[in-house]
Amino acid sequence: GAGVSQSPSNKVTEKGKDVELRCDPISGHTALYWYRQSLGQGLEFLIYFQGNSAPDKSGLPSDRFSAERTGGSVSTLTIQRTQQEDSAVYLCASSLGGIRTEAFFGQGTRLTVV
Amino acid sequence: SQQGEEDPQALSIQEGENATMNCSYKTSINNLQWYRQNSGRGLVHLILIRSNEREKHSGRLRVTLDTSKKSSSLLITASRAADTASYFCATEKIQGAQKLVFGQGTRLTINP
Repeated sequence: GAGVSQSPSNKVTEKGKDVELRCDPISGHTALYWYRQSLGQGLEFLIYFQGNSAPDKSGLPSDRFSAERTGGSVSTLTIQRTQQEDSAVYLCASSLGGIRTEAFFGQGTRLTVV
Repeated sequence: SQQGEEDPQALSIQEGENATMNCSYKTSINNLQWYRQNSGRGLVHLILIRSNEREKHSGRLRVTLDTSKKSSSLLITASRAADTASYFCATEKIQGAQKLVFGQGTRLTINP
């Protein structure tokens, strides 16, 4: 596609359930980022992929959060046993990597845990 | 902790005036970028300035970088109502993984 695509755009889930958020980066972009943004706040870094490997997982809030990237393309962010504090907009971005680090963002997934 | 910190947190000006937002950071960087966000969803890249550059222009945008003070400023000239948005700076550190770290943002409101 022409841009970064995230699905679903909105997700309401019950506390304790698992959720999967998907990100389709721009074709050819080797770097992929996940961020979390609470209402009116800045972007909280979660994880960064270069190709299929994740050199920096330091931002994952707990072991309930995991992410993978396959084929150097699609990435999935999984949150297990969701809690109400997980409610936020989850943003994905991709970039060419190397010195071309301008990031292109998807429209995000708004997660609401009830 | 956030690498970049913008100030002010919120700025409200009249249409036609200039808007200046600042960003400070802590560690040495490869580059600094500014992004804009409308309505709390995806961010749009505005401009990138490399560590060996001091000033860069793009249309009504002017960005400066002072690596000795570890700070940058974004100037929007002749503001328009459509410039109302949140503006974030993002830095890419020299050492460690090449990840983009964002600040908390400045909420800019342009009053017609």
